Formats: sequence, C-alpha cells, structure tokens
Amino acid sequence: AQTVTQSQPEMSVQEAETVTLSCTYDTSESDYYLFWYKQPPSRQMILVIRQEAYKQQNATENRFSVNFQKAAKSFSLKISDSQLGDAAMYFCAYRIWNSGNTPLVFGKGTRLSVIA
Amino acid sequence: EPEVTQTPSHQVTQMGQEVILRCVPISNHLYFYWYRQILGQKVEFLVSFYNNEISEKSEIFDDQFSVERPDGSNFTLKIRSTKLEDSAMYFCASSFRGRDGELFFGEGSRLTVL
Repeated sequence: AQTVTQSQPEMSVQEAETVTLSCTYDTSESDYYLFWYKQPPSRQMILVIRQEAYKQQNATENRFSVNFQKAAKSFSLKISDSQLGDAAMYFCAYRIWNSGNTPLVFGKGTRLSVIA
Repeated sequence: EPEVTQTPSHQVTQMGQEVILRCVPISNHLYFYWYRQILGQKVEFLVSFYNNEISEKSEIFDDQFSVERPDGSNFTLKIRSTKLEDSAMYFCASSFRGRDGELFFGEGSRLTVL
C-alpha cells in the first residue's frame, strides 16, 4: 500500500524568508503523480504544485518549487519569499498513474505559520 | 471562478441518525470524490464516482455509506446510521479528467456525532 509521510506537524517562517516542507512516500510503482495542496484556515484545499514521476525536472510555480528525489522517494516543497498569505496547512499527496480514477493518498499535513 | 460547494458546513447529529452531506461539483467535471479527515489525522479517501457509478471505494466506505448523483448537479454522501467515530470533516472533490486531472475540493462539512 502506498503511504505518504510528512514528518513536520508544524513549521514557521519569517516573512520574505524561505522554508522547506518535507514529504516522503512509499510505493512500488514507477509511474505516479505527486502533489502539494494548500488549505488556508476555513477554506478548501487548492493545488499548489504537481510533479509527474517520469519527469526528472523539478516542478516550479512562481515562488513554489519542489525537490523531487525519486530514488529516495522524497518530495519536498520550497516556498521562497514567504508571504503572510502562505500561512496554511500543506498536504503532500500521491496518486498512482493509470487509466482509472485512482484516489489521492494524503500525508497528515504540515501547518505553516508566517511571522511578520 | 467555479468552485465546489458543500452543505451543510457543520452538522451535529445523534448516534444512529441518518445524515446526508451535499456537494455541488464544478459543472463540467466528470469525476467526483468524497474524502474525510478525522481531527488531527490524515485526509482519507472514501469513494470515487464516475458515469453514475462508484469507481473505487476504500475500506472505510462500508454498507453504512452510500453516494448518489440524483439530479445531474448534486453529489451526495449518505451515512445511514451514524457512529461516534464518523465525526470528521468530509470533503467533496471533483475533477474534469480522472487519471491526472487536478482535484478541486470543497470547503468541507464538519460532522459531529453525539
């Protein structure tokens, strides 16, 4: 069974600084997707960034980038120039790549605080 | 911007009662999901739904649970006889494509079973 582990229940970062959130996963599959979702307080989860396992290049979306280490099964999220609006719960998620309608497997989440 | 909407935002019920949680997915989406999150624990998959039938379900989704798309816009989760351990936040999600499509989540419905 696939599992996703986020070892940091809480993190904090000063505004304008950089923070890295960790995620590891366990799978025997070679083709899959990895995601980071953000959930602000009392709001829905929104997709921050996605990585296809077959791509060697790390995904980047503006201030958000990932460090994808397939052999180590590691998928960390780096937030640069942190802003107050980045404060949220961040979930790492995995999805197997196949033709079906497969579910996301989530980690427990990391609560990020941004200090002004 | 289109959103997934869920009602109610919070429901309190007595153990043994039936509960229906409602979701309105994004209108052109084809795949629908329910997830739940017990306080302090990870978000867990319950069920996925496509073409008017269940595509996949987890071990959590036992005979007490059912889903329905009654009118082409709503997507409901019914819990027939609630238990204390059903207390959780329930999230609905939808996507346009199944395999790699981004899931769009609602804000969640908090269910408290007393």
